[in-house]
Amino acid sequence: GAGVSQSPSNKVTEKGKDVELRCDPISGHTALYWYRQSLGQGLEFLIYFQGNSAPDKSGLPSDRFSAERTGGSVSTLTIQRTQQEDSAVYLCASTQGRNQPQHFGDGTRLSIL
Amino acid sequence: QKEVEQNSGPLSVPEGAIASLNCTYSDRGSQSFFWYRQYSGKSPELIMFIYSNGDKEDGRFTAQLNKASQYVSLLIRDSQPSDSATYLCAAFREKLTFGTGTRLTIIP
Repeated sequence: GAGVSQSPSNKVTEKGKDVELRCDPISGHTALYWYRQSLGQGLEFLIYFQGNSAPDKSGLPSDRFSAERTGGSVSTLTIQRTQQEDSAVYLCASTQGRNQPQHFGDGTRLSIL
Repeated sequence: QKEVEQNSGPLSVPEGAIASLNCTYSDRGSQSFFWYRQYSGKSPELIMFIYSNGDKEDGRFTAQLNKASQYVSLLIRDSQPSDSATYLCAAFREKLTFGTGTRLTIIP
């Protein structure tokens, strides 16, 4: 069965480079969330897309972070000019509706050298 | 005040006993509540969700919701070593908000 798919599963890059992380949600799921999780820490909300509404970007930590969701499906999280503190696991989750359980992808482990 | 609060633990419970995990939330308008389990190095996976006051049972798991007290709990009966994980509580109003999780260790 098709769950939430994230790519790449691991990404190692040099400080200052830009990275793009991809999330392919479950088909038909209208809502999509991005979270960041540092080692041993909780989930840090980044951004939330719900249908055609304007995204809730309140969790983005700086203007180096941006995300888009094309055609209401695939989403890309972009981090520009990466810093070492950006190293974390980036998790994507999708849900069928506003009040429904989230289903998580396996995450992208980002390491900034 | 955090929107969703959990005791970070660690909570240690003997195998076969009942593990009780607690969560409080600050937004009275929260409509639904979720419990996720996260093993080390893995993504969260849904255990239970509850919308209405009272208890909801699924196998060894029972979720309890008390909206008047803004309190959600998860009971795990007959705890197994495989239940050792971090348990995340989440509440939904305009968006889903997670607590920081409680680390549970089941002692054989």
